[in-house]
Amino acid sequence: SYVLTQPPSVSVAPGQTARITCGGNNIGSKSVHWYQQKPGQAPVLVVYDDSDRPSGIPERFSGSNSGNTATLTISRVEAGDEADYYCQVWDSSSDLNVVFGGGTKLTVL
Amino acid sequence: QVQLVESGGGLVKPGGSLRLSCAASGFTFSDYYMSWIRQAPGKGLEWVSYISSSGSTIYYADSVKGRFTISRDNAKNSLYLQMNSLRAEDTAVYYCVTTVVHKSTGWFDPWGQGTLVTVSS
Repeated sequence: SYVLTQPPSVSVAPGQTARITCGGNNIGSKSVHWYQQKPGQAPVLVVYDDSDRPSGIPERFSGSNSGNTATLTISRVEAGDEADYYCQVWDSSSDLNVVFGGGTKLTVL
Repeated sequence: QVQLVESGGGLVKPGGSLRLSCAASGFTFSDYYMSWIRQAPGKGLEWVSYISSSGSTIYYADSVKGRFTISRDNAKNSLYLQMNSLRAEDTAVYYCVTTVVHKSTGWFDPWGQGTLVTVSS
């Protein structure tokens, strides 16, 4: 089955740029979606279809996807961005298979 | 606004059964695909099951196939998950999630707050 690999943790100082990667075999051929989950809360969609933002999500959140790596970029990081982030792909080639990455803990220093 | 409220979680013994419910409001429930996604304590997200807007198309993760049954009642704006033959590894928070399917992909937005299922003797 398809595997998505994320770094367990990323640390960044406030005001800097955080990049969270999601690796997968030829992931550039798939659409990647990203979720933010703060402690004790349900996940929230922050990027869909590689680089689109739902309404209400700040422009500081952006995404890209090429080759074997998709990336969630958070510009001008704020303390409130500290959370777990998950990537996700959808494979409906045969039976449906929805895959999540293992998650990345973003720490704002 | 869109609201998804799960209920039915609790403590159950291995081999037991539980039925989760999700009450939807603030949108036209019958127009949307729905899914259940779970998260074991301290772990990541795992997709469990998907149902189309009419209920005619259903998928399950291999880990629950043959034990769990997803269903919906569009007249009652409700989604269900019947869980049988429960195992310790089914212990998790179960989220009811609106599912957007577009071309060959799909994503989950929004999510309910979740209900905790604990399988233990």
